[in-house]
Amino acid sequence: GAVVSQHPSRVICKSGTSVKIECRSLDFQATTMFWYRQFPKKSLMLMATSNEGSKATYEQGVEKDKFLINHASLTLSTLTVTSAQPEDSSFYICSASFLAGVLGTDTQYFGPGTRLTVL
Amino acid sequence: EDQVTQSPEALRLQEGESSSLNCSYTVSGLRGLFWYRQDPGKGPEFLFTLYSAGEEKEKERLKATLTKKESFLHITAPKPEDSATYLCAVQARSTGFQKLVFGTGTRLLVSP
Repeated sequence: GAVVSQHPSRVICKSGTSVKIECRSLDFQATTMFWYRQFPKKSLMLMATSNEGSKATYEQGVEKDKFLINHASLTLSTLTVTSAQPEDSSFYICSASFLAGVLGTDTQYFGPGTRLTVL
Repeated sequence: EDQVTQSPEALRLQEGESSSLNCSYTVSGLRGLFWYRQDPGKGPEFLFTLYSAGEEKEKERLKATLTKKESFLHITAPKPEDSATYLCAVQARSTGFQKLVFGTGTRLLVSP
C-alpha cells in the first residue's frame, strides 16, 4: 500500500520550454502533496506544500511563477516548470501523505522522482 | 530552528558486519521521526516512524530506536543489497507538523 507514481521519470527539453510533471497517489487519497528538489549527493529540499483544491504554499526562495503547482484532486498533483532554464535541471520528487493512525501523524510516501535536464 | 544531523556521512561495511547510524535532532515539539532509504536515482522509501522516546521498530535486518535527542538505525548482519543512503527526518510543531526536516543522510556501502 501507499504507492506514489510520477510521470515522466526522465525528461530532456530545450531552454524556454515548459515541462509538466505528474504525481499520483495510486492506492490512497492524499490530503497533502509535497514537491521536493534534490541536487546530486544532497538531501531533499522542500519546494512547496499543496492541499487539494487550495493554492500551494511555497518555501522561501522558490519562485511561484517559475514552478506552478496544481492539486486538482486527492490523487493528483502537477508541477509545471515554466520557461525552463539549464539551472532548473535537477531531480524532482513528489510525496503524498494522509492522516493515519491514532496519533494522526502524516507519513509522507515518495514517488520515484523525475530527472529534468534542460539544454 | 529545527535541526537534524546524521552521522557518519558515509559508512563502509563488510557483509555481516553490524553497525549503527545516528540521527541527532533539535526540534520544538517532536511529532514524529522518520527513517527512509534512498537508492541512487530513486525517491526515498519509507522505513519507520517513531513517536516517543523508548520506542523501537524492526524490519528485517533494520531496527530503529528513539531517545529524546537522537535516533539510531541498527543494521544487523548487513547484505550488499542494504547499500543505500539512509535519511532521517522529523516532523515538529514549529513547522506545522506537516513538513519534514531532513538530515543530509548516511551513505552506506556494504561489500560482499
